[in-house]
Amino acid sequence: TQLLEQSPQFLSIQEGENLTVYCNSSSVFSSLQWYRQEPGEGPVLLVTVVTGGEVKKLKRLTFQFGDARKDSSLHITAAQPGDTGLYLCAGASSGGSNYKLTFGKGTLLTVNP
Amino acid sequence: DSGVTQTPKHLITATGQRVTLRCSPRSGDLSVYWYQQSLDQGLQFLIQYYNGEERAKGNILERFSAQQFPDLHSELNLSSLELGDSALYFCASSAGGGYDTDTQYFGPGTRLTVL
Repeated sequence: TQLLEQSPQFLSIQEGENLTVYCNSSSVFSSLQWYRQEPGEGPVLLVTVVTGGEVKKLKRLTFQFGDARKDSSLHITAAQPGDTGLYLCAGASSGGSNYKLTFGKGTLLTVNP
Repeated sequence: DSGVTQTPKHLITATGQRVTLRCSPRSGDLSVYWYQQSLDQGLQFLIQYYNGEERAKGNILERFSAQQFPDLHSELNLSSLELGDSALYFCASSAGGGYDTDTQYFGPGTRLTVL
């Protein structure tokens, strides 16, 4: 069974601070996705990283895929209250047509004004 | 709005009962995925259908079944319900059959409470 461990589980910071969320596994994934989920809604895809060592930037968010494709990180610069939400990482694995996403349990981020 | 619709939004039922959750994918999407989200287990993949056929299976219990109809909407049937089945059930859809760049769009979910 593939597992994705996310840390920290909870994070409460002040507006303007930087933060990093980690996603680790002992399994290799073909790609790694990051989602953000707000209360009462479904997860929304933020980014997909495919190549080991890949770094993607989305405004104040920086995503990195580990060289061995087993881990990833999400760094937010100058966090804003609008960044509040549950951040989920998901590793993709595929055996033929059997494509599956394995999700971490998430990091609940609260950014206080 | 992701374009994926799920009904009902909330469902309260008793142990031992059977319920059906419905999902309409985004226009043009051929794949439908079902997920269960609970506090202790997180978000778990249950099953995927692609153009009417079962494509991939995850941690779906034998008491649960799903199908995708010719108009591509999907239903998830949960039977002999137990207290532990209380969770949020999400449907997602994607254009393709499931691959790294095939974005999944999630619906708003159905909150199931089993009393």
